[in-house]
Amino acid sequence: SAVISQKPSRDICQRGTSLTIQCQVDSQVTMMFWYRQQPGQSLTLIATANQGSEATYESGFVIDKFPISRPNLTFSTLTVSNMSPEDSSIYLCSVDKNYEQYFGPGTRLTVT
Amino acid sequence: QKEVEQDPGPLSVPEGAIVSLNCTYSNSAFQYFMWYRQYSRKGPELLMYTYSSGNKEDGRFTAQVDKSSKYISLFIRDSQPSDSATYLCAMSLIYNQGGKLIFGQGTELSVKP
Repeated sequence: SAVISQKPSRDICQRGTSLTIQCQVDSQVTMMFWYRQQPGQSLTLIATANQGSEATYESGFVIDKFPISRPNLTFSTLTVSNMSPEDSSIYLCSVDKNYEQYFGPGTRLTVT
Repeated sequence: QKEVEQDPGPLSVPEGAIVSLNCTYSNSAFQYFMWYRQYSRKGPELLMYTYSSGNKEDGRFTAQVDKSSKYISLFIRDSQPSDSATYLCAMSLIYNQGGKLIFGQGTELSVKP
């Protein structure tokens, strides 16, 4: 299995600012994923992050809005830039290990 | 039309009841089908996964896939208050590293003592 931690667990931010979310895994993994879970909606994949290469973004998500770093095999960050109230959501980090996908506890973001 | 449809509930049942949770999907190319359980303020945890059609049983949980109808189900026998959570179905075209998961909206289940 994989144990995933995220920081911060929650935050309230002003519109126009940026927030960086950290994801730490207890073991080395090749791929890390960032999901968004909006109220009453299903989980939606934002991007896939491989160590040493540019993240791959899903349709509707762009690097300027959601820049991702993946400096090593156990850590990744997602930044939500120039936030608006529509960015209020839970952001989840996920990893693929032994063909099973594990999720972190999520970061609950509220933009005012 | 969403690729995966799931009744959001909420679903409330008495302890000991049999619970049936369902999802329908539109993409006939999906091969792998998963059920996740998500407790409040926690990340989803994988309960079961099934490849292609058929049934899979794990303790009180049974997952069924009917590809001809594009319909999957999760049955919970002898439901317990600790089963109270949101249940998410997910599916993908492939099941290896990098397989993109498509999730349903999630069904909120409450099991009353």
